[in-house]
Amino acid sequence: GESVGLHLPTLSVQEGDNSIINCAYSNSASDYFIWYKQESGKGPQFIIDIRSNMDKRQGQRVTVLLNKTVKHLSLQIAATQPGDSAVYFCAENGGGSNYKLTFGKGTLLTVNP
Amino acid sequence: DAGITQSPRHKVTETGTPVTLRCHQTENHRYMYWYRQDPGHGLRLIHYSYGVKDTDKGEVSDGYSVSRSKTEDFLLTLESATSSQTSVYFCAISESLDTDTQYFGPGTRLTVL
Repeated sequence: GESVGLHLPTLSVQEGDNSIINCAYSNSASDYFIWYKQESGKGPQFIIDIRSNMDKRQGQRVTVLLNKTVKHLSLQIAATQPGDSAVYFCAENGGGSNYKLTFGKGTLLTVNP
Repeated sequence: DAGITQSPRHKVTETGTPVTLRCHQTENHRYMYWYRQDPGHGLRLIHYSYGVKDTDKGEVSDGYSVSRSKTEDFLLTLESATSSQTSVYFCAISESLDTDTQYFGPGTRLTVL
């Protein structure tokens, strides 16, 4: 079946650097994507979302880029801080019922002081 | 956690016993979901609800049942717990089909011995 995946399972960065977390999706019908952050022992926390009619969306220190041509999604975190250390995963809606999201397995981001 | 609580937060039980997990929301959102999260897998949908007394199966519904007698509560029951149901269970809510974003509760860690 179609699924959402991530290129890198782990990412280690220095405090203050920018981080880029990638996600490949295979369902070309998906028209809505979400990035979540999950800290150890906690539930997933919504970070930012993007619809397929957009290529880029910015939030506070985060930017999501969507490349529909190659079915690729990325999350950029500016000036990464130790509090950004967590697992990040993306989700897609498959273009159908919006309540049936498909989630990626996640990338562990570690920020070194 | 977007006004979502889950109880209990931790539970250890024995194989063959019934277990009920509770999700309570204060957001008055129509849609509620139960997921399980296991190493090596993304979040997987067990059951979801699209209104009071309206529920449907997700991708991993075998061995689970749900009930929703009022908007704010969504119960997940493991009819006869098995070791394969050891997992972390998350409840999520979303407002409507036009608002795709799902917000998650803090999770329940269930261990079946």
